[in-house]
Amino acid sequence: DTGVSQDPRHKITKRGQNVTFRCDPISEHNRLYWYRQTLGQGPEFLTYFQNEAQLEKSRLLSDRFSAERPKGSFSTLEIQRTEQGDSAMYLCASSSSGTRVNQPQHFGDGTRLSIL
Amino acid sequence: AQKITQTQPGMFVQEKEAVTLDCTYDTSDQSYGLFWYKQPSSGEMIFLIYQGSYDEQNATEGRYSLNFQKARKSANLVISASQLGDSAMYFCAMGPTGNQFYFGTGTSLTVIP
Repeated sequence: DTGVSQDPRHKITKRGQNVTFRCDPISEHNRLYWYRQTLGQGPEFLTYFQNEAQLEKSRLLSDRFSAERPKGSFSTLEIQRTEQGDSAMYLCASSSSGTRVNQPQHFGDGTRLSIL
Repeated sequence: AQKITQTQPGMFVQEKEAVTLDCTYDTSDQSYGLFWYKQPSSGEMIFLIYQGSYDEQNATEGRYSLNFQKARKSANLVISASQLGDSAMYFCAMGPTGNQFYFGTGTSLTVIP
């Protein structure tokens, strides 16, 4: 049983560059979440997919951010024209179907983004 | 508005003792879940325990139990018989509100030998 996989683990880039992260959820999970976590804070919700449909986006998700989940399997999160404030850990989580209220999310190890 | 409040930035506990980590939440939803996660220094988020808003009994998972007081909107985590490996950040989370889950700012627990 493989868990949630995220790639890359670390990304260092210059301000203004575009970056893309990938998340492979647990195979039978149809729900997928992206979070951002900065130092000393808890994860902040960014967006939610159920299968391939993006059902919710946080106000934190500016127009420089876009997420996709083609075919309802893996997901990508792209940040265009990166800014210093984008430096954070980006976490992906997935959960199974069933009553949403009682399904715990399983997290990947995250992608740590550093903007130079 | 802050949905989840964890008022203890740092806690210390003696090995083999019990410790309670506080969590209060704010929601007008009738149906919601409360979750606790552990984040060791290595960074991964590990699910520990879940409590549903309609569950009448407090949840337990091994050494973890959740002290759920719905009227007070609190969901405290109790760790019994603390071990050195319990040293980590602990996050309380609630959801879904719409499709969103909210996390607190976390409590750093240090277990002293």
